[in-house]
Amino acid sequence: RKEVEQDPGPFNVPEGATVAFNCTYSNSASQSFFWYRQDCRKEPKLLMSVYSSGNEDGRFTAQLNRASQYISLLIRDSKLSDSATYLCVVNRPGGGADGLTFGKGTHLIIQP
Amino acid sequence: DTGVSQDPRHKITKRGQNVTFRCDPISEHNRLYWYRQTLGQGPEFLTYFQNEAQLEKSRLLSDRFSAERPKGSFSTLEIQRTEQGDSAMYLCASSKAVVNYGYTFGSGTRLTVV
Repeated sequence: RKEVEQDPGPFNVPEGATVAFNCTYSNSASQSFFWYRQDCRKEPKLLMSVYSSGNEDGRFTAQLNRASQYISLLIRDSKLSDSATYLCVVNRPGGGADGLTFGKGTHLIIQP
Repeated sequence: DTGVSQDPRHKITKRGQNVTFRCDPISEHNRLYWYRQTLGQGPEFLTYFQNEAQLEKSRLLSDRFSAERPKGSFSTLEIQRTEQGDSAMYLCASSKAVVNYGYTFGSGTRLTVV
């Protein structure tokens, strides 16, 4: 099983719709979780951290399910500008760098 | 500019040549990371510094790759005898010691080996 797995998509979603993606991770000892956004040919940028109790930032909601070892990202009222690749990131305990491991990303296309 | 800076933005080199990239992290960040990203993949960890000490290297970092951070500030990544398979985006990131805030990435150096 890969350390971090995501559905690569693409997810084609009409503007204004709600879209959700999941990501699974293999190391049950992982403690830090993030979603990053990456635009085409740009660097990844931190979208939000994911906390055990779940957290919301405007139209974005992140959830963590430790029992099933997955995290999710929900985007409400999607905008054209939300089109990007969303990278799931999980720490690898014991890794000297806190071992942030990135998934391959889920490609989202918001259609007008 | 208080972000992470990388130089150059693009590099085209002939196979067999050596290349060196530079990264200037956010000044108060003592951790610095190098990642490599190819098309359709997420960033893959290469190496990590805490201050000037290189504390971890990935198995992806072959003998042709070397990274330094001599004064605990900027870092360089050198690739010797480049191969076509080295073509990728090389990303530098920095963070504070507490990584719960995630990393801040630079804009990357896109390497093309011809």
